[in-house]
Amino acid sequence: EIVLTQSPATLSLFVGERVTLSCRASQNIDSHLVWYRQKPGQAPSLLVYDASNRATGTPARFSGSGSGTDFTLTISRLEPEDFAVYYCQQRFTWPPTFGGGTKVEIK
Amino acid sequence: QVQLAESGGGVVRPGRSLRLSCAASGFSFREYAMYWVRQAPGKGLEWVALTSYDGSQKYYAGSVKGRFSISRDNSKNTLYLQMNSLTFEDTAVYFCAFWSVYPIDHWGHGTLVTVSS
Repeated sequence: EIVLTQSPATLSLFVGERVTLSCRASQNIDSHLVWYRQKPGQAPSLLVYDASNRATGTPARFSGSGSGTDFTLTISRLEPEDFAVYYCQQRFTWPPTFGGGTKVEIK
Repeated sequence: QVQLAESGGGVVRPGRSLRLSCAASGFSFREYAMYWVRQAPGKGLEWVALTSYDGSQKYYAGSVKGRFSISRDNSKNTLYLQMNSLTFEDTAVYFCAFWSVYPIDHWGHGTLVTVSS
């Protein structure tokens, strides 16, 4: 199965800062990658699909990029609601594996 | 409106069994592959099992293979997860979910399974 490695595991940042999260796949997955944001006590919420397309309702401060094995999610200016855990998931093949997550916490 | 409602969670002793259900509504259940994803306390998301739209294909994570069984009843719009020989490591919130070509991406609220002696 395809392994997704997210880095870093944790980031401590201020509101208003720019942040880039990384997700690396163990093999080529083209652009079949999604990003989720998960807030405590909630199910994950889709942010980006097909590596770079914002889901409906995703603010413009979120942008995804990459293809093949290396992907990034950038948040241009952190808002209070962005302090959460972010997961990437590949949908190139079954099983649909997840990365280990990156926690973005308030500094 | 799409709804996925998990049930069947609870506290269970190690080695015992539990069956989770996920009642689906608001979409054509029989057309979609369905997934169980779990999240241990303070940990990340882990896919557990998946079934094709008609139940003919099933896949399991290595951590549950041989102990868990996924099934579906398309006449009842319900997904199941039979969990046998439970261990402490199976303690988690279990979500049922499905996704397809965007914008299809839906998750239930989850049901908590606690394995405790």
